[in-house]
Amino acid sequence: GAVVSQHPSWVICKSGTSVKIECRSLDFQATTMFWYRQFPKQSLMLMATSNEGSKATYEQGVEKDKFLINHASLTLSTLTVTSAHPEDSSFYICSASPPGEDYEQYFGPGTRLTVT
Amino acid sequence: QKEVEQDPGPLSVPEGAIVSLNCTYSNSAFQYFMWYRQYSRKGPELLMYTYSSGNKEDGRFTAQVDKSSKYISLFIRDSQPSDSATYLCAMSVPGNQFYFGTGTSLTVIP
Repeated sequence: GAVVSQHPSWVICKSGTSVKIECRSLDFQATTMFWYRQFPKQSLMLMATSNEGSKATYEQGVEKDKFLINHASLTLSTLTVTSAHPEDSSFYICSASPPGEDYEQYFGPGTRLTVT
Repeated sequence: QKEVEQDPGPLSVPEGAIVSLNCTYSNSAFQYFMWYRQYSRKGPELLMYTYSSGNKEDGRFTAQVDKSSKYISLFIRDSQPSDSATYLCAMSVPGNQFYFGTGTSLTVIP
């Protein structure tokens, strides 16, 4: 099956700093990638849809200036959490669908962010 | 009303038991129905997907979709300790975003 990677797998940062998370589709090109956030024992919450070559589409309630998304190529999308605060601590997961397979999303392994 | 409802559990069963996991939904336009398995601190992995109504079997796993009742199920036969994980249902209208259930935490006791 298709493989999606994320880097880093975990990161600890101080309040006020910015953190960049990378999501890569390793063996397919993805015009669309998705960014989710997951709190302990809760489901995946879609944050934004990342489109290659254009602006991301953010879900209601997600601050686009705080969560910067850049989909610079067909295999790479990045999520930057700017001016991080402890309440941003969460598990961030990306996913992508291979062309023509919109019934399936392949998920990355996730990035655990802890803001101190 | 949430788009997708799923009992979070936790569910604890002895090894070898048959496990039944369920989700209900409200949007009759959903066509794709998926089940994902998520181990602790890992990303979800797709177990099975079904298009529209019907059953689908893959080894010890069977997925059922009843669109008339807006109800989907995942059955696990001969459950194993390695099946212990959180199971997420998901559904979508083709080409649109996925809607996930909250996940059901399953523990299979040896």
